[in-house]
Amino acid sequence: DAKTTQPTSMDCAEGRAANLPCNHSTISGNEYVYWYRQIHSQGPQYIIHGLKNNETNEMASLIITEDRKSSTLILPHATLRDTAVYYCIVRGLTGGGNKLTFGTGTQLKVEL
Amino acid sequence: DAGVIQSPRHEVTEMGQEVTLRCKPISGHDYLFWYRQTMMRGLELLIYFNNNVPIDDSGMPEDRFSAKMPNASFSTLKIQPSEPRDSAVYFCASSFSGSPLHFGNGTRLTVT
Repeated sequence: DAKTTQPTSMDCAEGRAANLPCNHSTISGNEYVYWYRQIHSQGPQYIIHGLKNNETNEMASLIITEDRKSSTLILPHATLRDTAVYYCIVRGLTGGGNKLTFGTGTQLKVEL
Repeated sequence: DAGVIQSPRHEVTEMGQEVTLRCKPISGHDYLFWYRQTMMRGLELLIYFNNNVPIDDSGMPEDRFSAKMPNASFSTLKIQPSEPRDSAVYFCASSFSGSPLHFGNGTRLTVT
């Protein structure tokens, strides 16, 4: 699976949009971009995933660049409960199956 | 849907003792994963199963670690004998082919 690069930490004011970047310049054509988050003392939680089109669900939006070498996770109105470590993962669905390889992620801190 | 259920939530044991961690995946899921999380190494995949069969155990650190999945609704991760460096949070996750992984809330293991 392709490797990803994320900033170590970010801060965001409550109520503002949180934009979390991820670089995955070695992504291949059949690999998806997945985002998970981990709130302290809990298991990782799935947020969203996409292949090449932008995606939106009730939690977040995912913007993938046209060349697919980077993406941005957007939390439109961040709250204190969104404070967590956010993991960007590139995952193929062949060969290794469903497994996810986690990097170090971005620690997002939402403040008043 | 109760989600992935892990037990116990916390385990404290002495070095040399056998430790058994348990996981009940989401009903209908055909993949089951065991991860370990430490401050130093982050989230590491230990082993995963497909239809109760171990597919990749390359992440299992030593022969002291073993995992079984006797049926579709139960899996165990055993450490025998345990050592202080095994102290970590152990997560179980399950998924249906191609779908996102769902994680349990983990077992925090402390070996003294």
